[in-house]
Amino acid sequence: KQEVTQIPAALSVPEGENLVLNCSFTDSAIYNLQWFRQDPGKGLTSLLLIQSSQREQTSGRLNASLDKSSGRSTLYIAASQPGDSATYLCAAYGNKLVFGAGTILRVKS
Amino acid sequence: DTAVSQTPKYLVTQMGNDKSIKCEQNLGHDTMYWYKQDSKKFLKIMFSYNNKELIINETVPNRFSPKSPDKAHLNLHINSLELGDSAVYFCASSSSGISYYGYTFGSGTRLTVV
Repeated sequence: KQEVTQIPAALSVPEGENLVLNCSFTDSAIYNLQWFRQDPGKGLTSLLLIQSSQREQTSGRLNASLDKSSGRSTLYIAASQPGDSATYLCAAYGNKLVFGAGTILRVKS
Repeated sequence: DTAVSQTPKYLVTQMGNDKSIKCEQNLGHDTMYWYKQDSKKFLKIMFSYNNKELIINETVPNRFSPKSPDKAHLNLHINSLELGDSAVYFCASSSSGISYYGYTFGSGTRLTVV
């Protein structure tokens, strides 16, 4: 049974810092891994999708890496801004999408 | 707008009532899902339909019954609502096979049972 863990559970940083969110999964037999953002009271916005054959994906200030063999993914956010404040969720796809509990990010201005 | 849309956005109802949540996607996806987000914000899959066929049915009380009239729609009917059913329910869709580009989620339905 796939289990996804995200560390840290919460993170508060000053504006402008670079930061790393961590995600680990127990079953490495995944097809891909997807990072989402959820704003309070809102739905999920897909940020990045990394196929199992890829090692990383980039979109603007966001970079996500995937190491299937070690069961880890990281989301790197460069030059953080207050607008980045949200909950970040990673989800591993094997035969279904399994979510971690999320990292609550607060970027202080 | 191409999207996954859910109705209603908010639903407040009394214990024991029966209610439905509707979901539609116009993305041309062949697979649709229902997820439940509990008070601790943890998202857990409930059901998955591929081309109108049920393919995932997690350990969910049989008071919850999904229905997929076509591959663009997946509705969730809940009988005899209980306080513990209060949560946010998300619909999602994806394409299977080589055209897979990840899941797209709706904006959620916040169900409150009083």
